[in-house]
Amino acid sequence: AQSVAQPEDQVNVAEGNPLTVKCTYSVSGNPYLFWYVQYPNRGLQFLLKYITGDNLVKGSYGFEAEFNKSQTSFHLKKPSALVSDSALYFCAVRDRKGGGNKLTFGTGTQLKVEL
Amino acid sequence: NAGVMQNPRHLVRRRGQEARLRCSPMKGHSHVYWYRQLPEEGLKFMVYLQKENIIDESGMPKERFSAEFPKEGPSILRIQQVVRGDSAAYFCASSPPSRGGSSNTGELFFGEGSRLTVL
Repeated sequence: AQSVAQPEDQVNVAEGNPLTVKCTYSVSGNPYLFWYVQYPNRGLQFLLKYITGDNLVKGSYGFEAEFNKSQTSFHLKKPSALVSDSALYFCAVRDRKGGGNKLTFGTGTQLKVEL
Repeated sequence: NAGVMQNPRHLVRRRGQEARLRCSPMKGHSHVYWYRQLPEEGLKFMVYLQKENIIDESGMPKERFSAEFPKEGPSILRIQQVVRGDSAAYFCASSPPSRGGSSNTGELFFGEGSRLTVL
């Protein structure tokens, strides 16, 4: 079965500092990986995805993620955090069986950016 | 608004009542997915539907829960005889159909969710 793990329940970072939110995956075959963000009482918003190609993927709001096959990781990064980045972040992997875009999500990481 | 529309946004039910949650996918999308988010937990897959077909219901509880996506109208997630443990946020997402035999590698587009509270 395909799965992703987010080892940190919460990440705290000062505004202006770089941030990293970690994700590791377990899949058979080539992974399709995604990051989503959820603000309080809202739905999930797509940030970025890795399907194939360059290992460094750029997404919305200045976020990027680095696909590392040898470490089976797909960490989310941003060079300079903003207070408005504070939210719940989910890593996800696409289930390759059955077609469609069914995603399996990690448990989420709460990012808190402080002044 | 061309996004995924869910209603109601908030629903309060007493134990034993029925809850019906509706989801209209994005225009042009024919695949619908339902997820449940419990407090302090991640999103758990429930069911994946295409028009008039249930494709994958591996995440659906075996009793009291059902889903449909009729030829006309929104997708419905129905919970009969609700219990307090059903209190959660229920999210619907949609995606376009696969094109020409190649796999659809696109993302899911989520609605704002329906928050069910069971008293």
